[in-house]
Amino acid sequence: AQKITQTQPGMFVQEKEAVTLDCTYDTSDQSYGLFWYKQPSSGEMIFLIYQGSYDEQNATEGRYSLNFQKARKSANLVISASQLGDSAMYFCAMREVQGAQKLVFGQGTRLTINP
Amino acid sequence: EAQVTQNPRYLITVTGKKLTVTCSQNMNHEYMSWYRQDPGLGLRQIYYSMNVEVTDKGDVPEGYKVSRKEKRNFPLILESPSPNQTSLYFCASSLSTGYYNSPLHFGNGTRLTVT
Repeated sequence: AQKITQTQPGMFVQEKEAVTLDCTYDTSDQSYGLFWYKQPSSGEMIFLIYQGSYDEQNATEGRYSLNFQKARKSANLVISASQLGDSAMYFCAMREVQGAQKLVFGQGTRLTINP
Repeated sequence: EAQVTQNPRYLITVTGKKLTVTCSQNMNHEYMSWYRQDPGLGLRQIYYSMNVEVTDKGDVPEGYKVSRKEKRNFPLILESPSPNQTSLYFCASSLSTGYYNSPLHFGNGTRLTVT
């Protein structure tokens, strides 16, 4: 069973608008970490933000925030005031305490910011 | 600057010619791993290492070898490359796998083409 599901293969957003990228996950572990990565067209994988399963507050890093809804097993990435440079693939990923030797990725969402 | 360095960035080779992709990190991380990324298949783990002299198979280890003789280096070896190993390869590192909340830090990737 797929552990990380990103249901939006592609999204198109106007510059300066906020955008939410969806991510749901499946795990039986009580302890796990959720991560978002950005992959621009140049190919590198850039770590954006982290949320721990025991964190009561949503994580924020600059224009990025993570909308964590534990009961719904949801960890959506919110980008505020989008910029042209935000155009990229975005991956949601999870690392479980039982399987911490591997980071499990979703299929990704391709975000395009229009001027 | 804290980083994971992979070389080469691009590589074109022929079937059967042994090659090595190097990976080095300067963050004193115990854990290192190799992933490959393919369209439609996402990111899949090839091998990982939890510390020096400790390596284990990931999801797609066939056709690959690794070694971890020093903490900072984790080379990926293709003894006899085949066209189905054409892919984008990533090396990554993190603190110990006991830290499930530790993000993976990725190298810039190696685009390998096997003809």
